[in-house]
Amino acid sequence: EPEVTQTPSHQVTQMGQEVILRCVPISNHLYFYWYRQILGQKVEFLVSFYNNEISEKSEIFDDQFSVERPDGSNFTLKIRSTKLEDSAMYFCASKVQGYNEQFFGPGTRLTVL
Amino acid sequence: AQSVTQLDSQVPVFEEAPVELRCNYSSSVSVYLFWYVQYPNQGLQLLLKYLSGSTLVKGINGFEAEFNKSQTSFHLRKPSVHISDTAEYFCAVRSLTGGGNKLTFGTGTQLKVEL
Repeated sequence: EPEVTQTPSHQVTQMGQEVILRCVPISNHLYFYWYRQILGQKVEFLVSFYNNEISEKSEIFDDQFSVERPDGSNFTLKIRSTKLEDSAMYFCASKVQGYNEQFFGPGTRLTVL
Repeated sequence: AQSVTQLDSQVPVFEEAPVELRCNYSSSVSVYLFWYVQYPNQGLQLLLKYLSGSTLVKGINGFEAEFNKSQTSFHLRKPSVHISDTAEYFCAVRSLTGGGNKLTFGTGTQLKVEL
């Protein structure tokens, strides 16, 4: 069964460093999402992406964040200068057009020291 | 804007007992409703969803949920739980109009099934 994959599973970085979190959505999906979950808190929407552009973003998704689909398979989330409060589990999701279910990846745990 | 409330952060239950995980939502527009499950070290997996039609929806692993519009609730139930049901359960909503396709999640309920 096709699934969303994410790499790495765990990323440790120093405050101020740039990180890139990678996702490979399901191949025929056209809508892509990033969510995050700070430890002990709810899963929060960050951004949605369709047709090579951001379709919606939350207030969390400030200028430090960017997304890209560099080729036909990868979908990346970049944090330019990480802060301690960026430590969280980051989930990628994808969805096929005309269907309501978003399929989630296993997540990347980001730890900022 | 929508919000989701899951009042129970943890629910301990004995194996083969019934369980109900509560979810209430708030929205100024009509919504779709979802329950996701997260097993340890895994991603979120869809359990079931309510889009329209019958208010009682059945999902995978013997779970079901009932949409109650007047009470703005979408409680998840299972008549007899198994050890393997131990996981975190998230209720989520998505607006039918505007708001794109983003999901708004509750804080989750940790279901712990004991022998």
